[in-house]
Amino acid sequence: EADIYQTPRYLVIGTGKKITLECSQTMGHDKMYWYQQDPGMELHLIHYSYGVNSTEKGDLSSESTVSRIRTEHFPLTLESARPSHTSQYLCASSEPGAGANVLTFGAGSRLTVL
Amino acid sequence: AQSVTQLGSHVSVSEGALVLLRCNYSSSVPPYLFWYVQYPNQGLQLLLKYTSAATLVKGINGFEAEFKKSETSFHLTKPSAHMSDAAEYFCAVSDSGYSTLTFGKGTMLLVSP
Repeated sequence: EADIYQTPRYLVIGTGKKITLECSQTMGHDKMYWYQQDPGMELHLIHYSYGVNSTEKGDLSSESTVSRIRTEHFPLTLESARPSHTSQYLCASSEPGAGANVLTFGAGSRLTVL
Repeated sequence: AQSVTQLGSHVSVSEGALVLLRCNYSSSVPPYLFWYVQYPNQGLQLLLKYTSAATLVKGINGFEAEFKKSETSFHLTKPSAHMSDAAEYFCAVSDSGYSTLTFGKGTMLLVSP
């Protein structure tokens, strides 16, 4: 039973379109993350948030942006999609304090930009 | 800076055989180490974690991992593979219980009948 939900699961879109990937969690976790996953590559952290109104860039530079207006919601936006943005995007959240690196992941959003 | 190396992008075993997935890490401080599993079309799930207590860590589904500081390793094992173990396994490291994780490239475990 998923406690963290990502929509859409699959998206095929043309170059130049604006897209928003939604992520919601029901656990009340303060810390949330977006990872980018490509076959045969490490998961790369692209954004994270410590809580409402907090957003930080991760290890991998990304043209996407995020917002955190509500604790349970952490959407990721691409203003103008390009084929290089084709990837799987995983959202995750974690408990506060010393459990902050025990992550609960969503099922992912697989984005294909034509 | 931390890093994780997972040896072998694919590992094939027969059902009932020993599973061994290798993970070596690099960390300038005592590490926190994790194994996550990703089943097809799903997100990652925590299998087990090492946080400086017992060096042999038991996880879900019969998996365990042993922290060996001298070898900077945290290999994942299971005595007898099941078909349902077929998935991708990711090793990860962090330098504290509060910091973000650095993941390896993953190892796909294939189980044949």
